[in-house]
Amino acid sequence: AQKVTQAQTEISVVEKEDVTLDCVYETRDTTYYLFWYKQPPSGELVFLIRRNSFDEQNEISGRYSWNFQKSTSSFNFTITASQVVDSAVYFCALSEGYTGANSKLTFGKGITLSVRP
Amino acid sequence: NAGVTQTPKFRILKIGQSMTLQCTQDMNHNYMYWYRQDPGMGLKLIYYSVGAGITDKGEVPNGYNVSRSTTEDFPLRLELAAPSQTSVYFCASSYPYLRRQGAYEQYFGPGTRLTVT
Repeated sequence: AQKVTQAQTEISVVEKEDVTLDCVYETRDTTYYLFWYKQPPSGELVFLIRRNSFDEQNEISGRYSWNFQKSTSSFNFTITASQVVDSAVYFCALSEGYTGANSKLTFGKGITLSVRP
Repeated sequence: NAGVTQTPKFRILKIGQSMTLQCTQDMNHNYMYWYRQDPGMGLKLIYYSVGAGITDKGEVPNGYNVSRSTTEDFPLRLELAAPSQTSVYFCASSYPYLRRQGAYEQYFGPGTRLTVT
């Protein structure tokens, strides 16, 4: 069975600090997909990134970067120079994606990030 | 495109009442999902559908029913509401998993906050 662990529950930083959100996953499949979603205080879920298990390249998008390491089953998310608008709950999710039916997501419990001015 | 829409936004039910949460998407996605989000617990899959006429149980299906008569609509039915069903309910949709393209990200509706008292 697949599992996603986000051990950090709450993180508080001061604006402009860098912050890393950890995600560790478990799966027995060799083909899988990892996702990060953001849930701001307004409540909607916003897709941030998708990564497949065959692509271990790190990705950078503006102030956001992701570090995927299969050796440690981790897919960590770093926000550089954090801003107040980054305050949200961040979810890591896993899809085994082996068949259509298995494309459903397993979510971690989420990390609440508070960025203070 | 309106994306994924859910109605109602809020609802209070008495124990034992029934109701249907509506979900509609206009992106012609085959796959649709229902999740519930409880505080500090992430999102858990209730039911999902890979196409019209096809539905299957997720992790927490008890107390719920679904139907999928069209590509666009995926209503969630609560029969005999219980306090344990107090939660925020999210509907989501995605393109189908294809072996070459992999698993796509899910697009979420704004959620329905349900309280059962």
